[in-house]
Amino acid sequence: DAGVIQSPRHEVTEMGQEVTLRCKPISGHDYLFWYRQTMMRGLELLIYFNNNVPIDDSGMPEDRFSAKMPNASFSTLKIQPSEPRDSAVYFCASSLFPPALGSLPGGTEAFFGQGTRLTVV
Amino acid sequence: AQTVTQSQPEMSVQEAETVTLSCTYDTSESDYYLFWYKQPPSRQMILVIRQEAYKQQNATENRFSVNFQKAAKSFSLKISDSQLGDAAMYFCAYRSAEGGSEKLVFGKGTKLTVNP
Repeated sequence: DAGVIQSPRHEVTEMGQEVTLRCKPISGHDYLFWYRQTMMRGLELLIYFNNNVPIDDSGMPEDRFSAKMPNASFSTLKIQPSEPRDSAVYFCASSLFPPALGSLPGGTEAFFGQGTRLTVV
Repeated sequence: AQTVTQSQPEMSVQEAETVTLSCTYDTSESDYYLFWYKQPPSRQMILVIRQEAYKQQNATENRFSVNFQKAAKSFSLKISDSQLGDAAMYFCAYRSAEGGSEKLVFGKGTKLTVNP
C-alpha cells in the first residue's frame, strides 16, 4: 500500500477563499483522523471517523470547518471562509480498530500522511 | 478527557550518548496504548515505539526503549547511542482501548538536538 495520501502538499490562498484538503487512507483501515499542527498549539485532533461515521468533532474550531468521509477511501476537510489564523500543517491519519486485549499488538497505531501546509494570506 | 504532557520543550544530547524524554498522561481508563512518534524536518510522522498498558514489560526497539510506570502514569523514552539522524520532534501519544473513545491524543512534543 502507498500509505496515507494527502493532497495538496502545499496550499496558499487568500483570506475568505474556500479551501479543501483531501485524504486517502490506507485500504482496510477503520479509523480516519484529521489533525492540525501549529507551533503554538502542537498537534490538535480536529475530528475522527470510524467506518466513515464522524465520532468526535469536538476539536473542530468553528463552523467554518467541516469534514466529510463519503466512502472508506476518501475524506475531505473544508475551510470556508479561510482566515490567516488557519495557517498550519494539516495531517490526515488512519488506523485499524484496536485489537482485543491479549491479542497481537499490531494495528493500534495511526499512520500519517505527509501533511498539507496551508498558508492563508 | 485524556491529556498528555511533555514537560521538556527542548532537549539536547551528544552523539553516542543516552537521552531520556519525559511524558506523563492523565486518564481514568485501565486499558490503553501509548506511543512515541518521531517527526523529522521532513514533517513525516514516524512511529518509534508502542506500549500496551496491560503489559508490565517495557517495550524496546533497537536503541529505543521506554520506562512505563502505570501507577505514576509516566511513559518516558530512552534513546541510547544517539545518532545525528535521531534529531527530530518527538511526540508522546495516548490511545484508549475502550470502545467509543479511540481517538489518539498527543503531547506538545520535545525537540531533540543531537550534537556531533
